[in-house]
Amino acid sequence: QSDLTQPASVSGSPGQSITISCIGKTSDFGEYDYASWYQQHPGKAPKLMIYDVNTRPSGVSDRFSGSNSGNTASLTISGLQPEDEADYYCSSYANKTTVVFGGGTKVTVL
Amino acid sequence: QVQLQESGPGLVKSSETLSLSCHVSDYSIGRGYYWGWIRQPPGKGLEWIGYIHNRGATYYNPSLESRVDISKDTSNNQFSLKLSSVTAADTAIYYCARSLRHGYIVDLDSWGQGILVTVSS
Repeated sequence: QSDLTQPASVSGSPGQSITISCIGKTSDFGEYDYASWYQQHPGKAPKLMIYDVNTRPSGVSDRFSGSNSGNTASLTISGLQPEDEADYYCSSYANKTTVVFGGGTKVTVL
Repeated sequence: QVQLQESGPGLVKSSETLSLSCHVSDYSIGRGYYWGWIRQPPGKGLEWIGYIHNRGATYYNPSLESRVDISKDTSNNQFSLKLSSVTAADTAIYYCARSLRHGYIVDLDSWGQGILVTVSS
């Protein structure tokens, strides 16, 4: 069972913005500031989309952005596109040396 | 760009030990970074298994720690996972991955393609 809680699904129409939340049981996000987000298409390995709460790796679209507040990290996808339909996972430190993933959120583009 | 490739048996009998290797190309694992294993049961979410640092330190998921061993073979540029006393609950796609930055373990930007391991009774 994950220590990070995500909604099971989020949907939106093309061009809209959606936000996926990731709630920790403690103030992990505020203490460590290390929330990461991964995108996973069916049958593919996860892809790092955001790290350090709001930093995009090279090559990731600026339509993806992250934020955090207290024990909640969030991923926002702006200008939703059909190729954004995928599963999204948040991740953070469970303590200074171990890692935890959220349960995942299925994003559907209507 | 670094490339990772998992290998090992796709079928393991219950109560036995699952053994996988991750061969790394275009980067020497002894030079730096954390190298990790993550798994995903069919149709379910990701689960972090553990990491090994290039200098040998290991960190494991507390829920698996008693059964997990991650090691590295610098001469063959690969690192390995052993999971003992497996049950059907260990059936999953197993991924190896590398962190984006030295010294961090939450930013995995290089992944293998994954290998499905099924535990049979």
